Amino acid sequence: NAGVTQTPKFRVLKTGQSMTLLCAQDMNHEYMYWYRQDPGMGLRLIHYSVGEGTTAKGEVPDGYNVSRLKKQNFLLGLESAAPSQTSVYFCASSYSKGLAGGRKNTDTQYFGPGTRLTVL
Amino acid sequence: DQQVKQNSPSLSVQEGRISILNCDYTNSMFDYFLWYKKYPAEGPTFLISISSIKDKNEDGRFTVFLNKSAKHLSLHIVPSQPGDSAVYFCAASAWVNFGNEKLTFGTGTRLTIIP
Repeated sequence: NAGVTQTPKFRVLKTGQSMTLLCAQDMNHEYMYWYRQDPGMGLRLIHYSVGEGTTAKGEVPDGYNVSRLKKQNFLLGLESAAPSQTSVYFCASSYSKGLAGGRKNTDTQYFGPGTRLTVL
Repeated sequence: DQQVKQNSPSLSVQEGRISILNCDYTNSMFDYFLWYKKYPAEGPTFLISISSIKDKNEDGRFTVFLNKSAKHLSLHIVPSQPGDSAVYFCAASAWVNFGNEKLTFGTGTRLTIIP
């Protein structure tokens, strides 16, 4: 199993350009998440999805859109990139809340390796 | 409003000694806590967790302690090894409404183990 993979690993954009970050997981997880990590800010949730065809806003959703057309994929879009979106982006996935086996099974999120995005 | 706080951005510990990483939280609805470890250029990986019904959980060299009345948890690493050098994130979740699908992360503590 590859776990959680992210494409691309690095990207440099100019202000106003658009791009899509792809996250894929092969663990049959229901839930998927997009975070950004900035110095001194920890991991902040951008958007998340609790199942195919569903999405919800996280803590810092402005300037981003997401889609979950297939259970295994979660896409993060930047329609008009801004320098403030320079960050490292992490995708994560987890089992659904209905899974037996306790909170360790349902609450643990598994992360991808990250995408480093620079907006000039 | 930072609901999960790690007040020490960095910590240096001699190899073989104990490393203690601290985390405080403000939301009394949090009932499950996790520690993640992150190496440079990699994603965070799950390390150890604890439910609010316990006050201690051990896994090899790693022990997490939870003090609910103080809203404080700590991660102990004994003995510390050079491979433990990483950024450690504390995270919390709450079984509210219909689920527990979100984690709230702290800002992280960079641990450096000195050989």
